[in-house]
Amino acid sequence: EAQVTQNPRYLITVTGKKLTVTCSQNMNHEYMSWYRQDPGLGLRQIYYSMNVEVTDKGDVPEGYKVSRKEKRNFPLILESPSPNQTSLYFCASSVGAGGQPQHFGDGTRLSIL
Amino acid sequence: AQSVTQLGSHVSVSEGALVLLRCNYSSSVPPYLFWYVQYPNQGLQLLLKYTSAATLVKGINGFEAEFKKSETSFHLTKPSAHMSDAAEYFCAVSDPGFNKFYFGSGTKLNVKP
Repeated sequence: EAQVTQNPRYLITVTGKKLTVTCSQNMNHEYMSWYRQDPGLGLRQIYYSMNVEVTDKGDVPEGYKVSRKEKRNFPLILESPSPNQTSLYFCASSVGAGGQPQHFGDGTRLSIL
Repeated sequence: AQSVTQLGSHVSVSEGALVLLRCNYSSSVPPYLFWYVQYPNQGLQLLLKYTSAATLVKGINGFEAEFKKSETSFHLTKPSAHMSDAAEYFCAVSDPGFNKFYFGSGTKLNVKP
């Protein structure tokens, strides 16, 4: 089954404790992306990757890091999480950028106290 | 940067009534346009997309959207609402030649029996 898998689905943690949210896709997609969803703001793009070792900033990259060492994986790293990063996070992948529809994971709800 | 405006954060219709969800974008060139649906505790699923082919686009579950360049709009419609259509709907755009995606703030559709 084609899917984008995120882990963990839920996490409560404290300010300053580094965390990583993993994302893996099994569709051999080149494009992968991270979004955060906040009430009333919709989804905002954090980072995206066009292919292995190629990443770029989205609209809200501050406080986040990503890496793309393998085509299937695109982890999101919060080096020093803060309460304003409490949000619902989605990973997505697609064949390419632009006109290609994205496949989304089920989301990761992060609460940073 | 692109911007996407969805008028009406909440829309309520009766079962069997017309569904109309509005989306306007800002772009000097026709972008790629998408509508996604999000059910509770799930990721986003593609409803339909416009990529410069026919201006009237048909999607899944009886939804369709019309691209109107002069109005910079891509409104989503369905002739007859069903209870299962209750969800949150997001309009998204991407500029040709660029790799970023921009989402609207979402519209929650409530369907009354």
